[in-house]
Amino acid sequence: DAGVTQSPTHLIKTRGQHVTLRCSPISGHKSVSWYQQVLGQGPQFIFQYYEKEERGRGNFPDRFSARQFPNYSSELNVNALLLGDSALYLCASSLVRDQETQYFGPGTRLLVL
Amino acid sequence: DAKTTQPTSMDCAEGRAANLPCNHSTISGNEYVYWYRQIHSQGPQYIIHGLKNNETNEMASLIITEDRKSSTLILPHATLRDTAVYYCIVRVGPNAGKSTFGDGTTLTVKP
Repeated sequence: DAGVTQSPTHLIKTRGQHVTLRCSPISGHKSVSWYQQVLGQGPQFIFQYYEKEERGRGNFPDRFSARQFPNYSSELNVNALLLGDSALYLCASSLVRDQETQYFGPGTRLLVL
Repeated sequence: DAKTTQPTSMDCAEGRAANLPCNHSTISGNEYVYWYRQIHSQGPQYIIHGLKNNETNEMASLIITEDRKSSTLILPHATLRDTAVYYCIVRVGPNAGKSTFGDGTTLTVKP
């Protein structure tokens, strides 16, 4: 079975642009979480979605938004990109919201110039 | 979620046990201890978790002190492929999907 997949794998944008990152969870998983990992640091929680509703949000500005589709895939959108948004964006899925384990995808590496 | 403290880096000889410590002195009674690892350029991988009892699976063992203020992840026979950043996370379980990671311990397994 395929694991969590993310697209694109790499992306280069300029300041002020917006970006959309995509995530497909493991088949049957209904919960998707997004994380930002800046170089040299651990992942930081951005959003959790379960059954197409936002179930949690980390300490990120309103420029960050996300949604989950009926097939449980998810998009992360970032508007008005800043240099500091350069990071690895990770998606993780779990079977249900209140599950003890989550499985991460390989991430999308975003570079903002 | 309670804060965790881990050493920045550790070395281990191949074939020997790797013991990775984690301090979580402010842990609450309903908070779980999770361990993940991240091999370079990959997403984090779940290893093990526990509440108060010691736990073992095919990857590792988790030893939690009786007062729950610290824990140790044990990789019984480290291989070169175990070289990674290891994260100890404490959170109110079981929703792992809102985890907050610290900076972790970089474990280097040497031949």
